[in-house]
Amino acid sequence: AQRVTQPEKLLSVFKGAPVELKCNYSYSGSPELFWYVQYSRQRLQLLLRHISRESIKGFTADLNKGETSFHLKKPFAQEEDSAMYYCALRRDDKIIFGKGTRLHILP
Amino acid sequence: GAGVSQSPSNKVTEKGKDVELRCDPISGHTALYWYRQSLGQGLEFLIYFQGNSAPDKSGLPSDRFSAERTGGSVSTLTIQRTQQEDSAVYLCASSLVITSGANVLTFGAGSRLTVL
Repeated sequence: AQRVTQPEKLLSVFKGAPVELKCNYSYSGSPELFWYVQYSRQRLQLLLRHISRESIKGFTADLNKGETSFHLKKPFAQEEDSAMYYCALRRDDKIIFGKGTRLHILP
Repeated sequence: GAGVSQSPSNKVTEKGKDVELRCDPISGHTALYWYRQSLGQGLEFLIYFQGNSAPDKSGLPSDRFSAERTGGSVSTLTIQRTQQEDSAVYLCASSLVITSGANVLTFGAGSRLTVL
């Protein structure tokens, strides 16, 4: 079955420290992956997608087909990065999400 | 409209009652998705529409759940004989097309359902 796994429910990181939010997927086809973010009292929104190979708000994510991973990284955490992060996989016309990781940036 | 609109924003109902949740997608968006967001379960896929048709209904939790979309626009998610485990935030999202690279979802604010 196609699945998206985010192993950490909560990740606490000190401001200025590196951040890595893990995402692993299982999919037999060619994956299309996304990261979505939900800040406090805001709507869920797209952060980045792997096909764009972009950096948004200092975050990057590289698709590793060998390890079936799409981890989200940022070299120096900022307090405004505190939010709920969801990894998502497009399977045919369906987009499925992981259970999410809450990132808490400590001052 | 400018964004995806959902109503009601909050609904408290008694166990056994029926509820209807409405989603008004961005004008011109052909794809529409429903998800359920609950604590510890993340975002659970329910159903999606391409135009007015729903090719995949496999995510609906039980036959008490149904959804329809009319005119390629507004969608309604109906939950019959609500149970306490139906309590969650129901999110709607729309996207312009369903093709590779274009599946950027725009989400609504959600409808928070509480079943007493």
